[in-house]
Amino acid sequence: SVLTQPPSVSAAPGQTVTISCSGSSSNIGDNYVSWYQQIPGTAPKLLVYENNRRPSGIPDRFSGSKSGTSATLGIAGLQTGDEADYYCESWDTRLSAGVFGGGTKVTVL
Amino acid sequence: QVRLVQSGAEVKRPGSSVKVSCKASGDTFSTYAITWVRQAPGQGLEWMGGIIPILRVSTFAQDFQGRVTITADESTPTAYIELTSLRSEDSAVYFCATGPYDHVSGSFRPDFWGQGTPVTVSS
Repeated sequence: SVLTQPPSVSAAPGQTVTISCSGSSSNIGDNYVSWYQQIPGTAPKLLVYENNRRPSGIPDRFSGSKSGTSATLGIAGLQTGDEADYYCESWDTRLSAGVFGGGTKVTVL
Repeated sequence: QVRLVQSGAEVKRPGSSVKVSCKASGDTFSTYAITWVRQAPGQGLEWMGGIIPILRVSTFAQDFQGRVTITADESTPTAYIELTSLRSEDSAVYFCATGPYDHVSGSFRPDFWGQGTPVTVSS
């Protein structure tokens, strides 16, 4: 994948996890980042767009940030329902295409 | 509320073509662009291409050059993706998604997703 994410992260209920997404100057460094949650067998769901904005209905436990060519998704107050795969996405100016991270599986211990 | 409804599962032979449809609700096409993304079994998301229906302009990832066609019919309103010369590696769930198009950067943002269409390529 053009964007690099850790394969998995885990934490106990109520704790906070962060998921990193590393890119380059032609994607994250030059464009916005979005984050998606995908429960296996279902379509991805938008959690964060334009680096740190949440669509209506997404709780503020989910937060996004960007610095240089990297982005981070934070999930606070982890719940069992947060177990899913999470993907970062950005536009790549050099490729003229969207690019995704490889996905991070979040496990609630 | 934006809603996208995709066509049903397909089983295709290697070397053949598949065309997946994505019917949008309301005035989606007058406001948003359509993006196509696929996901092979157990794998991550792969951006394939997109179309701006009101401009009738489409773009696609270089990996699919020569094999993919993306179109949209504003009258229905339905978007389509056609993939030719199918091989086993094309077996995946194909998603359409809608969201804003940024005219400055040329970027598509997939906000609302369809349910996905499984495509199996097997002899």
